Amino acid sequence: AQSVSQHNHHVILSEAASLELGCNYSYGGTVNLFWYVQYPGQHLQLLLKYFSGDPLVKGIKGFEAEFIKSKFSFNLRKPSVQWSDTAEYFCAVKAYKLSFGAGTTVTVRA
Amino acid sequence: EAGVTQFPSHSVIEKGQTVTLRCDPISGHDNLYWYRRVMGKEIKFLLHFVKESKQDESGMPNNRFLAERTGGTYSTLKVQPAELEDSGVYFCASSQDMGPTTEQYFGPGTRLTVT
Repeated sequence: AQSVSQHNHHVILSEAASLELGCNYSYGGTVNLFWYVQYPGQHLQLLLKYFSGDPLVKGIKGFEAEFIKSKFSFNLRKPSVQWSDTAEYFCAVKAYKLSFGAGTTVTVRA
Repeated sequence: EAGVTQFPSHSVIEKGQTVTLRCDPISGHDNLYWYRRVMGKEIKFLLHFVKESKQDESGMPNNRFLAERTGGTYSTLKVQPAELEDSGVYFCASSQDMGPTTEQYFGPGTRLTVT
C-alpha cells in the first residue's frame, strides 16, 4: 500500500522568508508525485507534479519541488513567500490511486 | 470551461438522517472520483467511476455509503443513516482518463456535519 507523510502540520512565517515543506512517501514501485494547494475558500488545485526526468520540477507561483528517490522524498520549496501563499498544501503520490498526506497549513504574516 | 461543482457546499444533519451529495464533473471527463477528509487528517480515496461503472470502490467505509453515476454524467453520494464519524469534507474530482500521470480536477468540497 502507498502512504504519504508530511512533516509539518502548521508553518508560520513572515513574507520574504523561504519555505520548505517536507514530504515522504512509502511505496516500492514507480510513483507519480504531486503537490496540491488549497487557498482559503478555493478548490484544491495542482501546484506541480513529477513523473520522470529532471528531479527538480517547477510549478506555478514560483514553487519548486525536488524528488530524491533514495530518500523517498518530494519536498516543496519557495525561496521567498508572499502573503498570498497562505494556504494548505498537500503532497500526493499516485501508483494506482491518488494518496494524500495530511496537509500542511502555511500562514504567511505580512 | 466550467470546473467541477459540488452541491451542497455545507450540510448539517442529525445522526440517523440521510444526506445526498452531488458532484458535476467537468464536461467530457469520463473519470469521477470521491474523496473524504476527516478533520485534520489526510484526504482519503473513496471510489472511482469510469463513466457509469464503478472502477474501484475499495475506499468506501461501509454499506451506509452508496455512490451512483447514472448516465455517466453527474454523481451522487448518499449516506444513510449518517453517523457522527461521517462528518468531514467530501471532495469530488474528475479527469479525462485514468492514467497515472493524468491530473485530477477537484471540486470545492461539501462540508458534512453530523450532530
